[in-house]
Amino acid sequence: GDSVTQMEGPVTLSEEAFLTINCTYTATGYPSLFWYVQYPGEGLQLLLKATKADDKGSNKGFEATYRKETTSFHLEKGSVQVSDSAVYFCALRDTGGFKTIFGAGTRLFVKA
Amino acid sequence: DAGVIQSPRHEVTEMGQEVTLRCKPISGHNSLFWYRQTMMRGLELLIYFNNNVPIDDSGMPEDRFSAKMPNASFSTLKIQPSEPRDSAVYFCASSFGAGVATDTQYFGPGTRLTVL
Repeated sequence: GDSVTQMEGPVTLSEEAFLTINCTYTATGYPSLFWYVQYPGEGLQLLLKATKADDKGSNKGFEATYRKETTSFHLEKGSVQVSDSAVYFCALRDTGGFKTIFGAGTRLFVKA
Repeated sequence: DAGVIQSPRHEVTEMGQEVTLRCKPISGHNSLFWYRQTMMRGLELLIYFNNNVPIDDSGMPEDRFSAKMPNASFSTLKIQPSEPRDSAVYFCASSFGAGVATDTQYFGPGTRLTVL
């Protein structure tokens, strides 16, 4: 079945450091890929998405490129801020399905 | 739009009691999802509805859990009787679309349930 694997956390960075959170997926169809962010005490919020191969999703300085050849959707940001501290979830939704499959989440701590 | 609304935000109850969690999806959305989040198991899909009809309840852990969606603007998740292992954060999410891959889910703030 469909699945999402993302790097384990926590990831601890200093402010202005470069961020990469790895995500790979397995899907039978042509999925859309998503990154959600969860701040403490809140629900998940959509951060960005890409709906087909080679698409790049971007938002708030975060980027991720849909790589079909490597089945990956890694999240990157060039310069993180303390306010980016949160849990990040990679997710996919396959064609013809209602379900969104979430990864386990990666907790990011950014130190001032 | 007010977003997905959940109530209560926090619930503390004793083992054996009935618990009802409530959700109001975003107006116009036709799909609704209930999730449970714990440290041990992460985010689990419990059940989802499309056009008020339950489509897949295979994630509901056992008969103690039930969910209803009597109309397009309201859903409940009930646990009866509750047990300490039900302690978790329960999220409701909604989306608009026909179940295609590009549909985006919008999450509520969650209900933190503690069963003593």
